[in-house]
Amino acid sequence: SQTIHQWPATLVQPVGSPLSLECTVEGTSNPNLYWYRQAAGRGLQLLFYSVGIGQISSEVPQNLSASRPQDRQFILSSKKLLLSDSGFYLCAWSADTEAFFGQGTRLTVV
Amino acid sequence: AQTVTQSQPEMSVQEAETVTLSCTYDTSESNYYLFWYKQPPSRQMILVIRQEAYKQQNATENRFSVNFQKAAKSFSLKISDSQLGDTAMYFCAFMKHRDDKIIFGKGTRLHILP
Repeated sequence: SQTIHQWPATLVQPVGSPLSLECTVEGTSNPNLYWYRQAAGRGLQLLFYSVGIGQISSEVPQNLSASRPQDRQFILSSKKLLLSDSGFYLCAWSADTEAFFGQGTRLTVV
Repeated sequence: AQTVTQSQPEMSVQEAETVTLSCTYDTSESNYYLFWYKQPPSRQMILVIRQEAYKQQNATENRFSVNFQKAAKSFSLKISDSQLGDTAMYFCAFMKHRDDKIIFGKGTRLHILP
């Protein structure tokens, strides 16, 4: 069966520090991969999505970047975090027409 | 660009009542996919129901059903015999085709009261 792993679950980082959130998928090949951000318990904002290795679409200009070094690995990064980067980050994958979500990472930038 | 609008930020109903959550969307596509996702306090996203636009029949999953009005671009979710465990954030979502991105609405926070 397919599973998705996202870590860490919680992260507190100082302003100006780098960020790396990792997401891996098991049990499927060539999935579509997504990073979403959810601010203050509200809507899901699509940040990046990828349909294949090295193919990344950015939806919102921001302080973040994404990479897909392997078929089932999706990484969200920042060189210097801002206070406004705080939020709940969700990784997801989809095949056919259903999306499956990771457990999420709560990021607090202090 | 496709957009998804949920006009009800928050709703409360008594246990066992029926509640309807609204969703409208904007697209020029003729075929696409619509979803309702549930996010309980644990924050785990759970697919509730899915509708393919080319299917005229409204999707149903146990106590959950949708009213899909393609011409009006409306996709509402009805929860019958609501239960305390239905308390959650509900998101309406849109996908243009199988390899496209999934766009979410801002969500409706639903409280089921005992």
